[in-house]
Amino acid sequence: NAGVTQTPKFRVLKTGQSMTLLCAQDMNHEYMYWYRQDPGMGLRLIHYSVGEGTTAKGEVPDGYNVSRLKKQNFLLGLESAAPSQTSVYFCASNFLGGTETQYFGPGTRLLVL
Amino acid sequence: GENVEQHPSTLSVQEGDSAVIKCTYSDSASNYFPWYKQELGKGPQLIIDIRSNVGEKKDQRIAVTLNKTAKHFSLHITETQPEDSAVYFCAAFKRGNDMRFGAGTRLTVKP
Repeated sequence: NAGVTQTPKFRVLKTGQSMTLLCAQDMNHEYMYWYRQDPGMGLRLIHYSVGEGTTAKGEVPDGYNVSRLKKQNFLLGLESAAPSQTSVYFCASNFLGGTETQYFGPGTRLLVL
Repeated sequence: GENVEQHPSTLSVQEGDSAVIKCTYSDSASNYFPWYKQELGKGPQLIIDIRSNVGEKKDQRIAVTLNKTAKHFSLHITETQPEDSAVYFCAAFKRGNDMRFGAGTRLTVKP
């Protein structure tokens, strides 16, 4: 049981490049989330999904797109990376959303030059 | 929207001492307050939580208190150990899937 996994662990992009971050969970969770973590700002919700085929905007969705084609996977896309998107990205999941415990992945560190 | 402030940003204590981290929130409708511990290179992990109908909750060396009137809640760690060294985040949840996190406290426990 791997829990929540994220790939890649680290990536360097040039401004304007695109990339996709992959989150996978093997706990059969319905809800999945993408957060970004910046120094001095804690975690902020980018997008989330309440089930396969659904997505919704969080607190800071601009510049990102997401897809949940399979229940176990949640993809975060950057179409045209900007230096402001340099951050550590965390994926999380849980069964029922709301106040249920969220289980976090190990994070992806992204540097946009 | 909800605003969560967390203090202090860094905290250094001697092994065996107690550590207290405080958070305030702005929206009185918030009803669930979890605390997460994040070790270096890992994702946050829930260590304790409290709901708005409870004033205090304890789990071994960790306790959380909630003052709804003042809109603040605190994490208390007693008999600190070096393995308690990590970044701790508080959060406040109101409805839907809107969880707002504090900026984090880096706790260092000196042996």
